[in-house]
Amino acid sequence: NAGVTQTPKFQVLKTGQSMTLQCAQDMNHEYMSWYRQDPGMGLRLIHYSVGAGITDQGEVPNGYNVSRSTTEDFPLRLLSAAPSQTSVYFCASSTFTDTEAFFGQGTRLTVV
Amino acid sequence: GENVEQHPSTLSVQEGDSAVIKCTYSDSASNYFPWYKQELGKGPQLIIDIRSNVGEKKDQRIAVTLNKTAKHFSLHITETQPEDSAVYFCAPYTGGGNKLTFGTGTQLKVEL
Repeated sequence: NAGVTQTPKFQVLKTGQSMTLQCAQDMNHEYMSWYRQDPGMGLRLIHYSVGAGITDQGEVPNGYNVSRSTTEDFPLRLLSAAPSQTSVYFCASSTFTDTEAFFGQGTRLTVV
Repeated sequence: GENVEQHPSTLSVQEGDSAVIKCTYSDSASNYFPWYKQELGKGPQLIIDIRSNVGEKKDQRIAVTLNKTAKHFSLHITETQPEDSAVYFCAPYTGGGNKLTFGTGTQLKVEL
């Protein structure tokens, strides 16, 4: 039982490049979400999904895109990377929206 | 949206002392109140949670108390140990927003 797996762990992008952060969970959780963590700002919700085929915006969705074609996977796409997207990104999953959230190990992204 | 304030932002205690972290929220509809612990380089992990119909919950050295009237809940750690050193986040949940809103975190340092 691997839990929530994020890849890659580290990534450096140039401004304007695009990339996809991968997230997979093996707990059959319906709810998945993406957060970014910046110093002194806690975790802020980017996008979330309550089930396959259903996604919605969180607090800071601009510049990011998501899709949920399967229960297991919830990739986060950066369309055109900007230095302001330098952050640590966490994927999380849970059975319901108000139950324990299980987090991945994070992806540290630097945009130069 | 939910406004969440967490205090203090840093807390240093001697091993064996108690630590208390307070979280204030704004949405009276919030009904689920978890606390997460984040160790360096890892994703947050749930340590204790409480629902709105309960005033206090305890799990060994950790307890959470809830005051719905005043809209705050607190994390209590007794007999602190060096392994308690981490960043702690509160994350009250509101069903209407369908998401957890994280506080800005408290860096707890337990000194020998």
